Amino acid sequence: QKEVEQDPGPLSVPEGAIVSLNCTYSNSAFQYFMWYRQYSRKGPELLMYTYSSGNKEDGRFTAQVDKSSKYISLFIRDSQPSDSATYLCAMSAGTGNQFYFGTGTSLTVIP
Amino acid sequence: DAGITQSPRHKVTETGTPVTLRCHQTENHRYMYWYRQDPGHGLRLIHYSYGVKDTDKGEVSDGYSVSRSKTEDFLLTLESATSSQTSVYFCAISVTYTGELFFGEGSRLTVL
Repeated sequence: QKEVEQDPGPLSVPEGAIVSLNCTYSNSAFQYFMWYRQYSRKGPELLMYTYSSGNKEDGRFTAQVDKSSKYISLFIRDSQPSDSATYLCAMSAGTGNQFYFGTGTSLTVIP
Repeated sequence: DAGITQSPRHKVTETGTPVTLRCHQTENHRYMYWYRQDPGHGLRLIHYSYGVKDTDKGEVSDGYSVSRSKTEDFLLTLESATSSQTSVYFCAISVTYTGELFFGEGSRLTVL
């Protein structure tokens, strides 16, 4: 079983839609959770960084962590064509310099 | 811009040849990482460094070695490249071992 599972998609939505991206994990020791956006042929760009459970909001982006269910989500409100990219989740227990990544969800926002 | 430069950005080489990829940072961060990204596998850690001359293996370290003689430079070497090492390689840096990872633009390596 992989440490982190992420639906690869692809996901296609109309402009203005609310997008929900999700990851599940198996290691209850994970405490640090991240979401990255990766445009084609570019490096991953950090979007959100959260510690432990709860919500964090930054503009149109909201990250949620539910440690009891081992489930994290990224919500994008009022999606824009510029949001079209692959979104990667990542997490860490905070020991051993190990970050575990999902395989990414490909998102296309149609104008 | 996280101040990370990877070189070369693209390289085509033949099986059995040595290859060195360079990561240079201007942030003076302590932690540096090399990942490879492949379809269906996501990002996998090859090696990381927690200081000058301090390195350790990651999940997929076989066939790779690293060196860090200066804070700003982290080198990844493939001693004898194989076709299975065809991949996109990303360097990343972080301030602390629990902190956010910042990635470079990637080095695309093709081994024929």
